[in-house]
Formats: sequence, structure tokens, C-alpha cells
Amino acid sequence: GNSVTQMEGPVTLSEEAFLTINCTYTATGYPSLFWYVQYPGEGLQLLLKATKADDKGSNKGFEATYRKETTSFHLEKGSVQVSDSAVYFCALRGPYGNKLVFGAGTILRVKS
Amino acid sequence: KAGVTQTPRYLIKTRGQQVTLSCSPISGHRSVSWYQQTPGQGLQFLFEYFSETQRNKGNFPGRFSGRQFSNSRSEMNVSTLELGDSALYLCASSLNPDRNTEAFFGQGTRLTVV
Repeated sequence: GNSVTQMEGPVTLSEEAFLTINCTYTATGYPSLFWYVQYPGEGLQLLLKATKADDKGSNKGFEATYRKETTSFHLEKGSVQVSDSAVYFCALRGPYGNKLVFGAGTILRVKS
Repeated sequence: KAGVTQTPRYLIKTRGQQVTLSCSPISGHRSVSWYQQTPGQGLQFLFEYFSETQRNKGNFPGRFSGRQFSNSRSEMNVSTLELGDSALYLCASSLNPDRNTEAFFGQGTRLTVV
């Protein structure tokens, strides 16, 4: 079946540091890929998406590129802020069935 | 445009009782999915509805059920509650079931079973 693997956290960074959160996937067919963010006490917010190989999703300074050859969709940001502290989820949506399959989530803590 | 609305936000129930959670999707969206989030199991898919039909169901016992109405609003029901049903239940709204379509989540209903 489809699955998503994320790097374990928590990831602790100082403000203005470079962020990478690794995400790899296993899927049947050609999935769409997503990053979601969850702030404390909240639901999930869609951060960015990519629907085909070499697509780059971007939003609020975050970027991720759909790499079919390495089955990866790593999240990056050049300069993190304290307000970026949250849990980040990588997810895929396969061509057969509509459900989202999520990774375990990565906690990000940014210190000032 | 209003987002996904879930009610209630918080619930405390006793073991053995039943509970109904409600989700109003974004206007114009016809696809609604439900997920359970727990610290141990993470985010797990419960079921998905499109145009009042259940298209997909996750690996949960029959105590978990749902439905969708003609206005796309959805409800999920859990009967004979167990302590392990304590979780954040999230509803997601999509325009349609296509894999490229974004899913937008509500703030969730926090269910505590005592």
C-alpha cells in the first residue's frame, strides 16, 4: 500500500536558520504530494502541493520539489521564524481512491 | 469564503455512550473525508463521501459510521464508545475526489472518553 516516511523530530533551530524536513514515499501509480502544517490546538493547514514530477510547490517561503526518481518531497525554507514552530506533515493522495496518506509528522521548534 | 466548520469543538463522553460529530464543508465542495488523529497512531483515514455516497472506508470497526447529506454536510457517529476512541477527529473538504484536488481541513472535534 501507499506510505509516507518523514524524518523524526523534534527539529530545533535558531531563528533565520535553514530548514529541511525530509519526506519519502511509496505509492502505486502516480500520486499527488502535499505538505500540511498544524499549529497547537488547530486543524491541518495546506502549505503546498505538487502533482507531477519536477513540480515545485511553494508558499510563505516554504518550497518542496516532487522528485520521482528518488520518491521524495523534502520541505525547505531558507530562513525560519519563531512563528514557524508547528508540526509538519507530508502526505500523498494516490490515483486509486481518494484518501490522504500522512507521514508521522515532524515537530519544528524555532528559538529566538 | 467560509472554511470547513466542525461542531462541536470539544466533547466529553462516558464509555458506552454514542456520539455524533458534524462537518460543514466549504461551499461548493462535494467531497468530505474524516480522519482520526491520536499521538500513538497519527492521522488515520476513516471514510470519504462524495455526492452522498461513501466511496472509501478505512480500517475501523463498524462502531464508526458516517453519512453525507444532499447539501454536502456530513456527520460521523461512534457508538459504544471506548477509551481508545479519545482523539482529535478532523474533517476535510474537497471540490471533488480527483487526486490533484486540495483537501482543506476543519479545526477538528476533540473527543475525550472517560
